[in-house]
Amino acid sequence: KQEVTQIPAALSVPEGENLVLNCSFTDSAIYNLQWFRQDPGKGLTSLLLIQSSQREQTSGRLNASLDKSSGRSTLYIAASQPGDSATYLCAVPSGAQKLVFGQGTRLTINP
Amino acid sequence: DGGITQSPKYLFRKEGQNVTLSCEQNLNHDAMYWYRQDPGQGLRLIYYSQIVNDFQKGDIAEGYSVSREKKESFPLTVTSAQKNPTAFYLCASSSDSFMNTEAFFGQGTRLTVV
Repeated sequence: KQEVTQIPAALSVPEGENLVLNCSFTDSAIYNLQWFRQDPGKGLTSLLLIQSSQREQTSGRLNASLDKSSGRSTLYIAASQPGDSATYLCAVPSGAQKLVFGQGTRLTINP
Repeated sequence: DGGITQSPKYLFRKEGQNVTLSCEQNLNHDAMYWYRQDPGQGLRLIYYSQIVNDFQKGDIAEGYSVSREKKESFPLTVTSAQKNPTAFYLCASSSDSFMNTEAFFGQGTRLTVV
């Protein structure tokens, strides 16, 4: 059974810092991994989808890496801004029609 | 703009009442999903549909029902059999299976039992 873990559950950093969010999964036979952002009371916004054949995927100030053999992915946020404050979730497919989510990391960027 | 629209944003249900949550997408996606989000429990799959007129139970389908009569629409009914319906409900869609493509989510409906 695939399990996804995100540590830490919460992170608070000053504005301008570069930071890394972590995601680990128990079954390394994944097809892809997706990172989402969720603002309070809102739905999920897809940030990056990284395929199993890729090691990195970039979008603006965001960079996601994937190491299947170790069961880990990281989301790197460069030059953080207060607008980056949100909960970040990672998810991997478990079968064709189900995503398994981590519990999320609640990120606060302090001005 | 292409996307997923969920309505209403807030919904209040009395004990013993059935309520229906709406989900509409204009992304031309074949697959649609319903997830439930509770604090401390993450997201859990309720139902999914890979094609019109076909749907399958997810991990927590008891007390819920769905229909898929149109490609664009996948409404979720929370029945009186659902004993703890207070939660945040999220609808999602994808063009293909999750093994191949990205998932997109709506803005959610918060359901509260009063």
